[in-house]
Amino acid sequence: DAKTTQPPSMDCAEGRAANLPCNHSTISGNEYVYWYRQIHSQGPQYIIHGLKNNETNEMASLIITEDRKSSTLILPHATLRDTAVYYCIVRSYGGGATNKLIFGTGTLLAVQP
Amino acid sequence: DTGVSQDPRHKITKRGQNVTFRCDPISEHNRLYWYRQTLGQGPEFLTYFQNEAQLEKSRLLSDRFSAERPKGSFSTLEIQRTEQGDSAMYLCASSAGQGMGYEQYFGPGTRLTVT
Repeated sequence: DAKTTQPPSMDCAEGRAANLPCNHSTISGNEYVYWYRQIHSQGPQYIIHGLKNNETNEMASLIITEDRKSSTLILPHATLRDTAVYYCIVRSYGGGATNKLIFGTGTLLAVQP
Repeated sequence: DTGVSQDPRHKITKRGQNVTFRCDPISEHNRLYWYRQTLGQGPEFLTYFQNEAQLEKSRLLSDRFSAERPKGSFSTLEIQRTEQGDSAMYLCASSAGQGMGYEQYFGPGTRLTVT
């Protein structure tokens, strides 16, 4: 699986949008972009994933650039409960694809009151 | 659906002792994963089961580590002759299948401290 690069930390004011960037310049055509988050002392939680189109669900939006070399996770109205480490992961599917998730060190998002 | 559960949540043991952790996946999830997480790092994959078959093991899983899933339901992870370097959070995850739409759901983890 391709590697990802994320800033180690970010701050966001409560109620504002949090935009978390991720660089995956070596992503290949059959690899998806996934986002998980991990709140302190809990296991990781799935947020959203996408291939090349922008995606939105009840938790967040995912914007993937046209060349697919980077993406941005958007939390539209951050709350204190969104303070967590956010992991950007690329995964492939298909013949011989691994099932494991390969985590980096993620971005610690601190939502400030 | 009660989610993935792990037991115990915390374990303190002396170096050289054996420890065993248990993971109960979401019911009817046939895939189960173990990960290890040390302070400040993201989780690292250890091993993966499809039903009762162990299909993949990381090189991180030394011969002191053994994992089982005897009836394709719960799983155990045993560490023999623990070392201080084994101190970490051990996470279990399960999924209903492979591929798109089958996400991994994680348990709360077991925090191991080896003194």
